[in-house]
Amino acid sequence: DAGVIQSPRHEVTEMGQEVTLRCKPISGHNSLFWYRQTMMRGLELLIYFNNNVPIDDSGMPEDRFSAKMPNASFSTLKIQPSEPRDSAVYFCASSSYRGGTEAFFGQGTRLTVV
Amino acid sequence: SQQGEEDPQALSIQEGENATMNCSYKTSINNLQWYRQNSGRGLVHLILIRSNEREKHSGRLRVTLDTSKKSSSLLITASRAADTASYFCATDERGSNYKLTFGKGTLLTVNP
Repeated sequence: DAGVIQSPRHEVTEMGQEVTLRCKPISGHNSLFWYRQTMMRGLELLIYFNNNVPIDDSGMPEDRFSAKMPNASFSTLKIQPSEPRDSAVYFCASSSYRGGTEAFFGQGTRLTVV
Repeated sequence: SQQGEEDPQALSIQEGENATMNCSYKTSINNLQWYRQNSGRGLVHLILIRSNEREKHSGRLRVTLDTSKKSSSLLITASRAADTASYFCATDERGSNYKLTFGKGTLLTVNP
């Protein structure tokens, strides 16, 4: 398995633009997590899904953020409109909770909003 | 919100020395996990300890868990320069439906 795949790896966009981050979890995993990492706030859990269903989105900072998981092999995190303070590294991770919830991380998307 | 809090925030040691990092958390847990992150990369799982376990070993890693104090420690023995990385604890909160939350991490620097 290729592991968790995120795209793009880097994204530079102008304030006000829509940004879509993509994630392909490991096949067979039934939990998917979106995290945001910054120096100031560390690694924040934004939202997570179990069996494609959003379980807890209390970490989503504002209504500008939305996430979907239309099927077991794909998830998106959308920011619309983007703002400079959204600049961060966004990680997607997946796990099989029957296996004890060890999470496998993608390489992350470094987002810069100018 | 952050669940785990690692201590210290940064640690610098010489190669061959042992490194100890601590983690405190707030709620009841199913398990606690430690991860490692090299600069610019994703996190990599190191070890998982369940709430009914008190100590676990994996190679040069030793993890302890004290649920009465809501704390855990990660010991890396005979450190190497390649161990330089950030280390995070993560908790699977009991009753949360497998929610996994992380602390802010400890930056470990091992000097050759």
